[in-house]
Formats: sequence, C-alpha cells, structure tokens
Amino acid sequence: AQSVTQLDSQVPVFEEAPVELRCNYSSSVSVYLFWYVQYPNQGLQLLLKYLSGSTLVKSINGFEAEFNKSQTSFHLRKPSVHISDTAEYFCAVRTPPGGSYIPTFGRGTSLIVHP
Amino acid sequence: GAVVSQHPSRVICKSGTSVKIECRSLDFQATTMFWYRQFPKQSLMLMATSNEGSKATYEQGVEKDKFLINHASLTLSTLTVTSAHPEDSSFYICSASDRGRNQPQHFGDGTRLSIL
Repeated sequence: AQSVTQLDSQVPVFEEAPVELRCNYSSSVSVYLFWYVQYPNQGLQLLLKYLSGSTLVKSINGFEAEFNKSQTSFHLRKPSVHISDTAEYFCAVRTPPGGSYIPTFGRGTSLIVHP
Repeated sequence: GAVVSQHPSRVICKSGTSVKIECRSLDFQATTMFWYRQFPKQSLMLMATSNEGSKATYEQGVEKDKFLINHASLTLSTLTVTSAHPEDSSFYICSASDRGRNQPQHFGDGTRLSIL
C-alpha cells in the first residue's frame, strides 16, 4: 500500500515571493511521483512528474520538484509566484508498470497568491 | 499530448433524474478509465475503475446500482448517476490511462452535478 501526505492544506503567499508545497509519501516499492494543478471548476492538469533519472524535474511555468528518496519527499517549489498560480495542487504517487496502476492522491494544498 | 474529453461540464436537474456523464480519450486508446468524485476543498475520491469490455471495479462504499459505469469501447466510458438526489451533487472527474505506456493519467475537465 502507498500513501501521500500533503501537510499544508493552505499556503498563502504574496506575489513574487518563493513558495514550497510539501509532499511526503510512503510505499514499500519504488514509485512514480506527480504533481497536478487544479483551477476552479476544472479537472486536474499534470504539472510535472518523476519517473526515473534526474531527481530534479521542472515544468515549463517555473515550478520544480525534487525527489528525495531518503526523506521520501517530492516537494514542489517556485522561486517567484504569480497571481495566476492560485490553484489547488495535488501530489500523487503510482507504482511503475507491473504494479497497481491506480494512483494515490494527497488531500491537496490550496496555494493562494496575494497581490 | 493526450487529451481526455468529459461531457457535460455542468448539469442541473431535479431529484429523481438519471444523469449520464461521458468520458472520451481523443487521441489514444484507453483500456482503463477512472471515475472520481471530489467534494469541495477535498481530494479526489476514486469511485471505480472502468475496464474496456468488462465490468467496472468499484471502491468500497460506492453503490454499483447507483453509479452505473459502462466502458463499451477503447475511447469511451460513461457514468450514469441513477435516480439522483441532492446528496449526489458533486464534482465528478474522469481520467484515462494507456496502461501499456509509461504515461500518467490524463484528466477530463470534470462535471459539476447539481441536484435540486
């Protein structure tokens, strides 16, 4: 079994400030890790993913996340946020092909960017 | 990239009505689709796994007769909320995955169901 913990339900931050959204997971096997973003009344959009290789993964809009196996974490960071980054962010884990392909989602973190 | 289309985006109907929600994979074959329910300010709750050509697998606590799932083709799965009541009001999201490829799930834009 696997689980995902997003410790912060809400993260308020001012525009242009840096932000970190925390994600920790537990699993008895190796996992794939994902961050999804959800804007109001929309589905989830994949922000970035870690499957293998470099532990630092980046998105096209300035977000990055680093897989830390020893700390079982996959925190999401952005050095300077914009108002438009206000959304709900979900961390998810999934086992590689051959295992259960059903992902497990964290409860979500609401990022609120203030002007 | 892979796209999943979900329709309708919003439904408002009277109590007792049955509502059908469609989920289509537009540029890939989805052997497996997933149906989620999301309550306000909460995470996604997996309701069922829809498998093409076979019966859906429901999560514990989800009523099979209430939420009918059909996955008749490799590009279409439907969720029918039968005899809907106000407590069924929620945001329903589908996702699809081509299990044979090293890809994450792709999500539809969701359906906001409001039962009066």
